[in-house]
Amino acid sequence: DADVTQTPRNRITKTGKRIMLECSQTKGHDRMYWYRQDPGLGLRLIYYSFDVKDINKGEISDGYSVSRQAQAKFSLSLESAIPNQTALYFCATSEGAGIGYGYTFGSGTRLTVV
Amino acid sequence: DQQVKQNSPSLSVQEGRISILNCDYTNSMFDYFLWYKKYPAEGPTFLISISSIKDKNEDGRFTVFLNKSAKHLSLHIVPSQPGDSAVYFCAAIHNNAGNMLTFGGGTRLMVKP
Repeated sequence: DADVTQTPRNRITKTGKRIMLECSQTKGHDRMYWYRQDPGLGLRLIYYSFDVKDINKGEISDGYSVSRQAQAKFSLSLESAIPNQTALYFCATSEGAGIGYGYTFGSGTRLTVV
Repeated sequence: DQQVKQNSPSLSVQEGRISILNCDYTNSMFDYFLWYKKYPAEGPTFLISISSIKDKNEDGRFTVFLNKSAKHLSLHIVPSQPGDSAVYFCAAIHNNAGNMLTFGGGTRLMVKP
């Protein structure tokens, strides 16, 4: 099994719908992150959490919310999806020290909003 | 504005030759620089890193060079292999800013047999 599992792998949804992307990890890491990838823009940070009681906005949090249900689970919600949220979404975890090589990424969720 | 930029969206190289991927940054407070490699349908995986106090780090076929005065780093792959074909992301981290990674836009490398 993968260290970081994202579900679903692909999703097509309609404008205005609520959608949740889920992430679970077996690394035992405290820190979890949600990034989105757009062509030419790389990966941009949406939200991050350093432990279960800690949630922080990233660079592009508008239109998104998150929930850290447990150390191993971090979900991303789009309350009312819009077409410009069409992107590839990645969940990641890291060790407490936070040095970059400790990041482990999931395989991604490709979301299309029509 | 993007703090980390990769100005070449794609690069094509012949197998056995050198691949050079470039990255520029604007924030002089970055402490570490990293390269990630991404295959289709997979998440990025860590490739190599360099501390801001170094100017070179080598790991097998991969070498990263850092020029702090120019705020520029590069990844050299020698010799290039078809399996190196992937998207490469440059990333930077600032230890006093929560240790979050800031990514560049990526460069798609194609190594032709």
